[in-house]
Amino acid sequence: GENVEQHPSTLSVQEGDSAVIKCTYSDSASNYFPWYKQELGKGPQLIIDIRSNVGEKKDQRIAVTLNKTAKHFSLHITETQPEDSAVYFCAASIRNNDMRFGAGTRLTVKP
Amino acid sequence: DGGITQSPKYLFRKEGQNVTLSCEQNLNHDAMYWYRQDPGQGLRLIYYSQIVNDFQKGDIAEGYSVSREKKESFPLTVTSAQKNPTAFYLCASSIMGGVDEKLFFGSGTQLSVL
Repeated sequence: GENVEQHPSTLSVQEGDSAVIKCTYSDSASNYFPWYKQELGKGPQLIIDIRSNVGEKKDQRIAVTLNKTAKHFSLHITETQPEDSAVYFCAASIRNNDMRFGAGTRLTVKP
Repeated sequence: DGGITQSPKYLFRKEGQNVTLSCEQNLNHDAMYWYRQDPGQGLRLIYYSQIVNDFQKGDIAEGYSVSREKKESFPLTVTSAQKNPTAFYLCASSIMGGVDEKLFFGSGTQLSVL
């Protein structure tokens, strides 16, 4: 089955710097790649997603890139703010009800 | 406000006891899911349901049971057969369960063993 690996497990940046989180997946049939943000004590929330027919997608300070050949995708956050501090999960999906999540990255933005 | 409500927020289980976690949604979604979250691990699927009175096992269904008697409700029972139940449990829903549908999550239930 699909296996998703996520790096790094923790990331600390200074406010205003950029943060990059990378994920790799194993099944070339995966065609949907969402990113979720989880704040302390809350459930994850979708922040951006990308489909396999698109190479890059941007939403304000957040962007996701997908390299299908290399089977990896990345989350880029620019001009980080303290409220960006959270755990971020990548995921890959092949079919209905078969979404596989990475282990998560704890991002800390220091003021 | 539309959303998913999980209760209780914290739950303690004694040895040999079954406990039930509640999940209710008012989003009119057909699909509902239960995930288990352990520290340093990704979310793992326990059970999912795409229609009332029907549900399927996920990757780690052993020791758990569910029911889907109403569209709005998808309770999860952690049975005594689950030997390592301590975890954060998340309920989610999506419109129909399609491959690229957004998941809406509740705020979770932290289950601990006494």
